[in-house]
Amino acid sequence: DAGVIQSPRHEVTEMGQEVTLRCKPISGHDYLFWYRQTMMRGLELLIYFNNNVPIDDSGMPEDRFSAKMPNASFSTLKIQPSEPRDSAVYFCASSFSVSETQYFGPGTRLLVL
Amino acid sequence: SQQGEEDPQALSIQEGENATMNCSYKTSINNLQWYRQNSGRGLVHLILIRSNEREKHSGRLRVTLDTSKKSSSLLITASRAADTASYFCATDKAGGTSYGKLTFGQGTILTVHP
Repeated sequence: DAGVIQSPRHEVTEMGQEVTLRCKPISGHDYLFWYRQTMMRGLELLIYFNNNVPIDDSGMPEDRFSAKMPNASFSTLKIQPSEPRDSAVYFCASSFSVSETQYFGPGTRLLVL
Repeated sequence: SQQGEEDPQALSIQEGENATMNCSYKTSINNLQWYRQNSGRGLVHLILIRSNEREKHSGRLRVTLDTSKKSSSLLITASRAADTASYFCATDKAGGTSYGKLTFGQGTILTVHP
């Protein structure tokens, strides 16, 4: 298996622009997680899905952030409008079942100027 | 505050030595997981230990879990320069709406000198 795939790997944008991050989980995994990593706050869970349904979005910072999972093989995390404080590395992870090993993608490094 | 707290924050050793990292947490857990992150890369899963387990091994890695003390340790034996990375513990809290959610600590930065 190719593992979790994320795109783009790097994104540089200007404040106010819309940013869309993409994730393809490992085939057969029912759970998909979005994380954000910053020096100040470490690794934080933003939202996770089970069978394409959002289960817990309590980590989503504010209404500017939204996530969707239209099918089992694709998810997006959208920031609109983006702000400099959104600069971080965003990771997607998937797992076969709840409370099992999570497999992380390589991350998207986002810089908002 | 973070559920998992790693100690030490940074560890510098010579190749061939053992490295021990500790993790403490606050609430009951379903399992505790250790991950490695090389600089600028994604996280790689190392070991998952469940709340009813006390010790697990994987190659040069040994993980212990003491649920009475709410702590875990990761031991890397005969370290190599390639083990240089950040190591994170992550807890899957038991009960309620937290099921399946991992909470990560701030990590231990391990440097292994050749």
